[in-house]
Formats: sequence, C-alpha cells, structure tokens
Amino acid sequence: DAKTTQPNSMESNEEEPVHLPCNHSTISGTDYIHWYRQLPSQGPEYVIHGLTSNVNNRMASLAIAEDRKSSTLILHRATLRDAAVYYCILPRGGGADGLTFGKGTHLIIQP
Amino acid sequence: NAGVTQTPKFQVLKTGQSMTLQCAQDMNHEYMSWYRQDPGMGLRLIHYSVGAGITDQGEVPNGYNVSRSTTEDFPLRLLSAAPSQTSVYFCASRHRPNSNQPQHFGDGTRLSIL
Repeated sequence: DAKTTQPNSMESNEEEPVHLPCNHSTISGTDYIHWYRQLPSQGPEYVIHGLTSNVNNRMASLAIAEDRKSSTLILHRATLRDAAVYYCILPRGGGADGLTFGKGTHLIIQP
Repeated sequence: NAGVTQTPKFQVLKTGQSMTLQCAQDMNHEYMSWYRQDPGMGLRLIHYSVGAGITDQGEVPNGYNVSRSTTEDFPLRLLSAAPSQTSVYFCASRHRPNSNQPQHFGDGTRLSIL
C-alpha cells in the first residue's frame, strides 16, 4: 500500500490561511490524492481530491507538486469550525479497493 | 437528507456475544465499506462491497462477516466478540466502485467489548 507522511499536529490562528503538507513519495502514476477531515465524534468528511494539477472547491485548495511526491491542502481562511484531524490519503493499490488512512494532522485553530 | 445511517450509536458487549452493526444509505450508491478506528489511529478497512451480492476483504477482515443483499444495506456481523474488537466502526458509501469519487461516511458505532 502506498503510504503518506503528515505532521502530527499544526496550529494556526483564526481567519489566517493554513497550509497542511503531505508527503507521498511512493505514489503510483494513476493514484489520486484524497483529503478528508474528521471533527470530534464524527465520521470522516470529504474535503478534496486531485491527480496532477491544482484543484479548488468551496472548502479548500489542493496544490500538487510537479513530481507528485508531495501535496499541500490549503484552507484559505481558517475558522474555529475547521479544527479537526486532516487525513491525506492514497488508494490501497494493487487492485484492492478502499482508502489507506494514516494518523493524519491534528489542526488546532486559535481564536 | 439522511446519507449514511449507522445503528446503534453505542453498544457494550460481553466477550463471546454476537452482534450486527447496521448501515444503510439512501443515495443509491453501489459501493459500501466498513472501517474501524482505534484510539489515536487512522481508519482501517474491514470489508467492502462493490454491489449487491458482492463482498470482499479489506485490511483487517478477521472476526467479521458481511453480506450485501440490497443496494441500501451493508450489515457488519461480529460472530464472537473479543476485547480486541473494541473500536469505533464507520460505514461509508460511494457512487461507483473502483473510482476516485468521494466517500460518504456515517457518524460511527462506538463498540466496547468487556
């Protein structure tokens, strides 16, 4: 299974941008990079996903390095409601379905 | 706008008891799956289904059974509960199998085995 590496935790101030990094050096050429987040006592929530080029949606932006070995999730203006664990995820690979979750990054937002 | 519904939300079992965790989705999604999440860890895939009548094993299938008789429902069965199965269980669904479409997760079932 392809693996990802994320910082255990990050802290940011409310209404400032947040850049969450992820390394995935063993990614295969057809693997999409997925980001989910998990608020306390809730199930994971889809944030964004992409293959090669940068992606934007109403929640966030995803910047993917040209060699695809790393990516960055960008929250343009963090709010207290964005405090959560953010997971950078790759497919299980090898023909197996499903996603491989690591421990994620615990994002703390200071008011 | 129910999405993915899991029942029960909490359950306490004794070692050796059996139980079925229920999962239902109302989005007509072909793909459904079960994950478990242990404290401080990410989610691990238990079993998944790409459509009615079709199931397959994930990363940690031992001790769990599944079946998929309808598109809407994907129950997870513990035949003989063990303390190692104490965890939070999440069900997820997606529109198409073998695709990169987003998955929708339920709010989880918190299971304790004494």
